[in-house]
Amino acid sequence: SSELTQAPAVSVALGQTVTITCQGDSLRLYYATWYQQKPGQAPVLVIYTKHNRPSGIPERFSGSSSGDRASLTITGALAEDEADYFCGSRDSDGSNWVFGGGTKLTVL
Amino acid sequence: EVLLVESGGTLVRPGGSLRLSCAASGFTFSGSDMTWVRRAPGRGLESVAYISGGGGTTYYAESVKGRFSISRDNAKNSVYLQMNSLRDEDTATYFCARRSGTYYAFDIWGQGTVVTVSS
Repeated sequence: SSELTQAPAVSVALGQTVTITCQGDSLRLYYATWYQQKPGQAPVLVIYTKHNRPSGIPERFSGSSSGDRASLTITGALAEDEADYFCGSRDSDGSNWVFGGGTKLTVL
Repeated sequence: EVLLVESGGTLVRPGGSLRLSCAASGFTFSGSDMTWVRRAPGRGLESVAYISGGGGTTYYAESVKGRFSISRDNAKNSVYLQMNSLRDEDTATYFCARRSGTYYAFDIWGQGTVVTVSS
């Protein structure tokens, strides 16, 4: 099965911009999806089909991708954005789904 | 309101079995593919099983193949995860989630149910 690689942790100063990246071969075939998960809560979809935001997700969240890499950018990070962020896509063989290991975002 | 509610998580001995349930409401359940995703302590998300809207297509993570089985009852708006031969490493919070139409994304998630495998 495919693997998606993310940096384990990243930090950002309050109000600044941060980019979280995801790399994997499956991203050459399938768009990345991004999820936010806070402690004790269910994951929340924040970006799908590379750059689309579901209803209710703030505009400060944006996505992009190129080749085997995808990125989630938070422009003007707020304290409430502190969470684990996971990328996901379909497996390269079109079967199951895969997730990255997650990036813990700390807002300083 | 679109809602998914999981149940069935508990403490179970290694080698034991457990059946998780996920009850859906607020959307056309039979038209939605569903998945079970777990998060073990200190680990990331793992999609353990997936089932198409009609139930005819299923996928499993390698880590659970031959031990877990996903099924659904569209008349009851429910999806299930039968877990057999449980191992310590199956300890996790298990979430059910709905695939968003034909997009490669899961847009609705339940609150999760905790499975602990321990002697």
